[in-house]
Amino acid sequence: DQQVKQNSPSLSVQEGRISILNCDYTNSMFDYFLWYKKYPAEGPTFLISISSIKDKNEDGRFTVFLNKSAKHLSLHIVPSQPGDSAVYFCAASYSGGGADGLTFGKGTHLIIQP
Amino acid sequence: DTEVTQTPKHLVMGMTNKKSLKCEQHMGHRAMYWYKQKAKKPPELMFVYSYEKLSINESVPSRFSPECPNSSLLNLHLHALQPEDSALYLCASSPGQGPRNTEAFFGQGTRLTVV
Repeated sequence: DQQVKQNSPSLSVQEGRISILNCDYTNSMFDYFLWYKKYPAEGPTFLISISSIKDKNEDGRFTVFLNKSAKHLSLHIVPSQPGDSAVYFCAASYSGGGADGLTFGKGTHLIIQP
Repeated sequence: DTEVTQTPKHLVMGMTNKKSLKCEQHMGHRAMYWYKQKAKKPPELMFVYSYEKLSINESVPSRFSPECPNSSLLNLHLHALQPEDSALYLCASSPGQGPRNTEAFFGQGTRLTVV
């Protein structure tokens, strides 16, 4: 049973445009959400997070939106740059457990075209 | 400093070997994790240490044995592995307390090949 879903295996966006990556979750206990960027054979790099008490968090070119009622979050990257080409993982956790680990989606491969 | 350091970067071992993976962080994090990632799959949680005590074992076979010598170090001892255990092994740490307690930072991973 997949608790975190990223339904788009890949996404192609032109340089300079907005990239929107989507993520859905099913477990109502999740209250903290994170996005990671990953290159092949490297560890995931933390990008941005959001707590369930917020609906938006912004950090430079990256903005994460959370819709709790729909159990949906999205990552917006604007403007998209060639270096953004990577696999993006959405992850979720239950922060009340102290240290429960993260549940990851399957990832979306973002390709930024020049 | 948001660095988690893993050694070695690459490891090739036979099915009868014993080896260890090492992980270190100096962010004062009190939770440390081992994840396993196969190609084109998301990372899968193996073990969680919270305040140097094993708090989660996700039904991992006993041929994988974690150890947390102190709050900065995490080891994964490997013995009698199978070829299907070949994967990227990722260590991570998170604060373990406070509003961002699960915000994990990952090491670069150890690429393990079992022959």
